[in-house]
Amino acid sequence: EVQLVESGGGLVQPGGSLRLSCAASGFTFSSYWMSWVRQAPGKGLEWVANIKQDGSEKYYVDSVKGRFTISRDNAKNSLYLQMNSLRAEDTAVYYCARAGRLPHDAFDIWGQGTMVTVSS
Amino acid sequence: DIQMTQSPSSLSASVGDRVTITCRASQGISNYLAWYQQKPGKVPKLLIYAASTLQSGVPSRFSGSGSGTDFTLTISSLQPEDVATYYCQKYNSAPFTFGPGTKVDIK
Repeated sequence: EVQLVESGGGLVQPGGSLRLSCAASGFTFSSYWMSWVRQAPGKGLEWVANIKQDGSEKYYVDSVKGRFTISRDNAKNSLYLQMNSLRAEDTAVYYCARAGRLPHDAFDIWGQGTMVTVSS
Repeated sequence: DIQMTQSPSSLSASVGDRVTITCRASQGISNYLAWYQQKPGKVPKLLIYAASTLQSGVPSRFSGSGSGTDFTLTISSLQPEDVATYYCQKYNSAPFTFGPGTKVDIK
């Protein structure tokens, strides 16, 4: 079964850091672009970051540039999101999503999400 | 950056009704447009990609059309299980922006 499972969410103070992980199974992880998408409570979906199969290309939404870093370990079938200098507005459910084999593809598989709360 | 808008923001329709949701890009995106369905408390699900290609397993009552800047998602006969929020997304280039969503419920 194709599956993505996120972990690492929790409560963190403003200015703090958190590292999210996403474990992939059931498909050849190294063949796909991967993404992070977030959803603030009661709000819509916001794309956060994408990473190419070999990690050589990364893209970010402006609001997280310089604070968040997307990375992957193909040997461990895992995707990561290092989040630094966290702000209250980063509070959201963070979803890991499979973005396809091409540079520009829709997100066809989603994890169940992990909640990040930034609050003092 | 290209902005994505959707209309209406919400709608209420009867079972069996034909429902149409519009998505507009502020600049042309060819057919790099996807539609997602998110049921209450659930994970988003890909319905349509490349503007009009139905994802495997999605009921045929869903269809998509459009190219360039104007796109449409149509539910030909609304069913109770279609209650959800629907999002469009551009994926021609970063940022891969989502529309604000259209909430659909049953009248």
